[in-house]
Amino acid sequence: QKEVEQDPGPLSVPEGAIVSLNCTYSNSAFQYFMWYRQYSRKGPELLMYTYSSGNKEDGRFTAQVDKSSKYISLFIRDSQPSDSATYLCAMSAENAGNNRKLIWGLGTSLAVNP
Amino acid sequence: DTGVSQDPRHKITKRGQNVTFRCDPISEHNRLYWYRQTLGQGPEFLTYFQNEAQLEKSRLLSDRFSAERPKGSFSTLEIQRTEQGDSAMYLCASSGRTGVSTDTQYFGPGTRLTVL
Repeated sequence: QKEVEQDPGPLSVPEGAIVSLNCTYSNSAFQYFMWYRQYSRKGPELLMYTYSSGNKEDGRFTAQVDKSSKYISLFIRDSQPSDSATYLCAMSAENAGNNRKLIWGLGTSLAVNP
Repeated sequence: DTGVSQDPRHKITKRGQNVTFRCDPISEHNRLYWYRQTLGQGPEFLTYFQNEAQLEKSRLLSDRFSAERPKGSFSTLEIQRTEQGDSAMYLCASSGRTGVSTDTQYFGPGTRLTVL
């Protein structure tokens, strides 16, 4: 079993839809949770960062962490064609010392159709 | 632009040749990471520096790979005797005293390597 599981999709939605992206994980030591967006042939771009449990909202994006279920989500409201990209979840453990080595999901490919 | 930069952006080489990539992190970031990413996969950790010290190296990294960060600023990643299986996107990231938190890694655009 991989430490982080993420459905690779692809996910195709119409413009304006609400998108839900999810990751599950097995390591209860994970405390830092991130969502990155990656456009084709580009490096990952940090989208959302959450420490421990709870929700975080930034514009059209909402990140949720449920540590009891070992489940994280990213919601995109009013999705736009420019949101079409691969979304990667990443996480790291608090007790990783000075090395905050990220453990990644495979990424979910999202297409928002006009 | 004060983000992470990488050079070159693309590299095509013949099998058996040596290649070297450069990464310039965000200034004041003391941590620097190298990852490798193939199509449809998340980034795979290669190695990590804190300042000039290389603190961790992936067990998956063969002896043909070496990385340096001589003055705690920019870093280089060298691949000797390249193989076709080395074809991938090589990503550099940095983290440190600036950013959302000291743990948040910011990525460069990557160097795409193609080994013929």
